[in-house]
Amino acid sequence: EAEVAQSPRYKITEKSQAVAFWCDPISGHATLYWYRQILGQGPELLVQFQDESVVDDSQLPKDRFSAERLKGVDSTLKIQPAELGDSAMYLCASSFGVGQPQHFGDGTRLSIL
Amino acid sequence: AQSVTQLDSQVPVFEEAPVELRCNYSSSVSVYLFWYVQYPNQGLQLLLKYLSGSTLVKGINGFEAEFNKSQTSFHLRKPSVHISDTAEYFCAVITVGGATNKLIFGTGTLLAVQP
Repeated sequence: EAEVAQSPRYKITEKSQAVAFWCDPISGHATLYWYRQILGQGPELLVQFQDESVVDDSQLPKDRFSAERLKGVDSTLKIQPAELGDSAMYLCASSFGVGQPQHFGDGTRLSIL
Repeated sequence: AQSVTQLDSQVPVFEEAPVELRCNYSSSVSVYLFWYVQYPNQGLQLLLKYLSGSTLVKGINGFEAEFNKSQTSFHLRKPSVHISDTAEYFCAVITVGGATNKLIFGTGTLLAVQP
C-alpha cells in the first residue's frame, strides 16, 4: 500500500464544475509533486513544492488549475472549471529533497463527462 | 532539454522467459536514471535507480538495469518473469544538480506475461 495518501481515488464530474484533489506526503518529506498522467502516456509534472513554496509550476495551466501547500505538509490541487481534456490520473509524489527518489501515491482517476 | 524514449510500447513474453525493456535518454548534462512499475489503477513504485557508481543496478522483484553512458541507455532486465510482473514500466530521468527534481518519463512499456 502506498505511503503517500491521496483522495479521492476516483472522481466523476461534469465539465465546467470545480474539482479538488488532496495529498498527504510521507512524514518528513519536504518536496511534494503533482503529476498528470493521460491514458497511455507517462506522468508529466504539473507543480513542485519545496516546503510551502512553489519551485516549478511551468506546466500548470494557471487559468484553471491551482495548487497550494499552506503549512508545508499536505497539499490540494484544484481545477475550475474542469474541461473534457482534464480527464486523467492525477498523481502525488514526495521526496526528502532534490535528487532523492520520489514516492508516489495511488492517484486520483478523474473523468469529466 | 532531457527526453526519454521507450522504443517498445508492448512486450509480450511467456512465463519464466527472460525479458529486456529498452530505454534510451537524451541529455546535454548528467542525469540520474530510474525505473518505475505501475500496476492497473495504482501509482508508480520505484524498481531501481542509478545515481552513481556501479553501472549494474539491482532492484526489487529480481529486476536489474545497466547504465551505458556511451549509448545513453538504461535497459531493464529480468532473467525469468512471472505472471505477477504484468504491468506498465516507466523509465525516467532527473537532471543532476538541477534546481528542480522534475522526473522526465518515457511513454511506458506494457509487459504482458503469458502462461
